[in-house]
Amino acid sequence: GAVVSQHPSWVICKSGTSVKIECRSLDFQATTMFWYRQFPKQSLMLMATSNEGSKATYEQGVEKDKFLINHASLTLSTLTVTSAHPEDSSFYICSARDTRVYEQYFGPGTRLTVT
Amino acid sequence: AQKVTQAQTEISVVEKEDVTLDCVYETRDTTYYLFWYKQPPSGELVFLIRRNSFDEQNEISGRYSWNFQKSTSSFNFTITASQVVDSAVYFCALRVSGYALNFGKGTSLLVTP
Repeated sequence: GAVVSQHPSWVICKSGTSVKIECRSLDFQATTMFWYRQFPKQSLMLMATSNEGSKATYEQGVEKDKFLINHASLTLSTLTVTSAHPEDSSFYICSARDTRVYEQYFGPGTRLTVT
Repeated sequence: AQKVTQAQTEISVVEKEDVTLDCVYETRDTTYYLFWYKQPPSGELVFLIRRNSFDEQNEISGRYSWNFQKSTSSFNFTITASQVVDSAVYFCALRVSGYALNFGKGTSLLVTP
């Protein structure tokens, strides 16, 4: 149990386009999901906290208009990178908090390359 | 403010050597959780252990062991008889209220045959 999936696992897009990344909790409900970003050879940095049915909370320095987060159901949160630029190329990882046990589980990550 | 420090950026050992990865944390909360994750080249985080602030017992799992000492705010990780498959980046992380993890910068471990 406690599986979190992300789709796609990798994506290449052209500069200026938008990319949507999905994070799903497959066998549990998650009222809260977290989005992290990891640049090469660096640590994971929290971007935002996503709560089902409400607006996401963004960390300082993260542009909310560029990184759109939608948590429309208890099993799905999406991160849309709008007008992507090469500097947005990174590894994006989500985690989902199991409502019942207050434990969080990480997805496998999505590698975004913007050309 | 919460902070996790992993002072060792890279460690290289020869197979079968023991290796200890250091982790020092800072928090003013009395209730918190500490974690270790392994990140192989594929990128997917592999959960290794979770410890809460009220449980200072050391833990051993096979070749892995963890030493939690509140007096020094440390949560060190030791791999005994290292193997090539242990090569990865290891992250120590801290969680207080809010449930987002605060990660250290990671330690890259290379085990050579």
